[in-house]
Amino acid sequence: DQQVKQNSPSLSVQEGRISILNCDYTNSMFDYFLWYKKYPAEGPTFLISISSIKDKNEDGRFTVFLNKSAKHLSLHIVPSQPGDSAVYFCAAGRYSSASKIIFGSGTRLSIRP
Amino acid sequence: DAGVIQSPRHEVTEMGQEVTLRCKPISGHNSLFWYRQTMMRGLELLIYFNNNVPIDDSGMPEDRFSAKMPNASFSTLKIQPSEPRDSAVYFCASSSGEVETQYFGPGTRLLVL
Repeated sequence: DQQVKQNSPSLSVQEGRISILNCDYTNSMFDYFLWYKKYPAEGPTFLISISSIKDKNEDGRFTVFLNKSAKHLSLHIVPSQPGDSAVYFCAAGRYSSASKIIFGSGTRLSIRP
Repeated sequence: DAGVIQSPRHEVTEMGQEVTLRCKPISGHNSLFWYRQTMMRGLELLIYFNNNVPIDDSGMPEDRFSAKMPNASFSTLKIQPSEPRDSAVYFCASSSGEVETQYFGPGTRLLVL
């Protein structure tokens, strides 16, 4: 039972364009959401998060959008750069169950010149 | 300022052998997590500790897996006996108790022949 789903295993985007990574969740009790980025041979690193009381959070080139009614969130990267090529994990959790978060299966983003 | 330290980085062993993975969390962090990453299941939480006490081990696959945290600066994940299906990358992560940010180690790539 996958509570957090990333249905696109891979995505290729041209440098300078927008990258949009999508994530769906099934548990309506989730109240915070995160994106992690992972390079080969390294552990995931925290990228950006959003609380369920918001529908948008922006940090530089990265913006996360949350649509609670659709149980959907997305990560926008604008403009995309070669260093953005990595695997991106969506994750979700509940503040009431602090520290336990559920990860999606990841999307491999490739930025082409 | 060292991050999460894991050892060994790579482990190759034969089926039936005991495997011990080690983790040193970031100093001052009171939560520690063990994850396993596979192609099929993505990144899954095995167990996590809070203040050295196991809080949730529902992700541990079976009795062959065990984890300990004897003190705030050290944890082990043991597999005995190991099987080929245990081959995966095992990550350790720690957090200061904040619900949002976990810091991951570089992972241990395990291959069971």
